[in-house]
Amino acid sequence: GEDVEQSLFLSVREGDSSVINCTYTDSSSTYLYWYKQEPGAGLQLLTYIFSNMDMKQDQRLTVLLNKKDKHLSLRIADTQTGDSAIYFCAEDKLIFGAGTRLAVHP
Amino acid sequence: DAGVIQSPRHEVTEMGQEVTLRCKPISGHNSLFWYRQTMMRGLELLIYFNNNVPIDDSGMPEDRFSAKMPNASFSTLKIQPSEPRDSAVYFCASSVGQGVDYGYTFGSGTRLTVV
Repeated sequence: GEDVEQSLFLSVREGDSSVINCTYTDSSSTYLYWYKQEPGAGLQLLTYIFSNMDMKQDQRLTVLLNKKDKHLSLRIADTQTGDSAIYFCAEDKLIFGAGTRLAVHP
Repeated sequence: DAGVIQSPRHEVTEMGQEVTLRCKPISGHNSLFWYRQTMMRGLELLIYFNNNVPIDDSGMPEDRFSAKMPNASFSTLKIQPSEPRDSAVYFCASSVGQGVDYGYTFGSGTRLTVV
């Protein structure tokens, strides 16, 4: 069946890079998404990648896609306290992972 | 555009009562999704509509849950009777089509507490 898996927690120091990983099972997914959820708020689309790309860069965000291994990652450069949130990856059919809680400490 | 609007933001109700959650999608979006979020299970897709028609309701937990979309600008998720295990944050999301170029826009959610 369809499944998306993520590690649940990540703690980084302010200014370091964060890497959040995700594995998925639906190889037919045309797009893969990263969503951010701040405390008490809904999910916001952070970025997405088309399945025929292996990398996408958007300012401090870098998305890497390994389609063969069905592995998606989100790298946040120069992580700030405002990046503290839960990050969800999702396939086309809106199957979400459980979310990775990113904690940024000074 | 005001985005996806959900109401109420918070709902506290007693076990056995009927609960109705409401969602107004973004104008022009023709797909609407209901999600439930809990710490234990994460984000679960309950049901989604395309052009007001329910397409997949396999995520609806049981018969106590029902969802309707009487027109393109309004949807409800009803729980009758409610139980404490229904306590969660319920999100509504809308999109243009399914599996689209720009992802989906989520509402701010309704936090439901059943006591």
